[in-house]
Amino acid sequence: SAVISQKPSRDICQRGTSLTIQCQVDSQVTMMFWYRQQPGQSLTLIATANQGSEATYESGFVIDKFPISRPNLTFSTLTVSNMSPEDSSIYLCSGTRVDSYNEQFFGPGTRLTVL
Amino acid sequence: GQSLEQPSEVTAVEGAIVQINCTYQTSGFYGLSWYQQHDGGAPTFLSYNALDGLEETGRFSSFLSRSDSYGYLLLQELQMKDSASYFCSRKAGTALIFGKGTTLSVSS
Repeated sequence: SAVISQKPSRDICQRGTSLTIQCQVDSQVTMMFWYRQQPGQSLTLIATANQGSEATYESGFVIDKFPISRPNLTFSTLTVSNMSPEDSSIYLCSGTRVDSYNEQFFGPGTRLTVL
Repeated sequence: GQSLEQPSEVTAVEGAIVQINCTYQTSGFYGLSWYQQHDGGAPTFLSYNALDGLEETGRFSSFLSRSDSYGYLLLQELQMKDSASYFCSRKAGTALIFGKGTTLSVSS
């Protein structure tokens, strides 16, 4: 398996503010991704975090709203900017290992509530 | 498209066998994965099928039929701890697209 940690585990934020979520993975992880999951819903891919370059965003997600960094192989951040209540969700970091390309490992998630 | 369809809910009793089906659109299809997610937990990988046929891992098995654009997850000897959401998923580039999930409730 792969070890993936996230922080914070949860937060309650005010409308209009921003929150940065950190994700740390072990050295066996090559690809890193960020997903969003509304309570009771499926997972939606936000973007692929690319080391040392801009993230690759999925349709419906833009860099100004969800800036992502990946300064090295084992660390990435996702910022949720100018938050609104619609951003209340669970944000999950995930990765694939170099020797297990078809399996994704997920972090414990960050539960965000925007008031 | 690359969407996946699966039932929203399944109920069963302990010791029973349950099958969760998943149909997918064929565009750009490479293989089908299954993930389990307990309430409040992270998704965990169960299986991956790239070729037609049955893959067995303990009490869980997964099946794929490319000709029918269809797969299923089979859970045998159900236990209470199997109550969770189960997602079928497929590759979209290097990332994954997930179905909407099937909530399995196991009762005694």
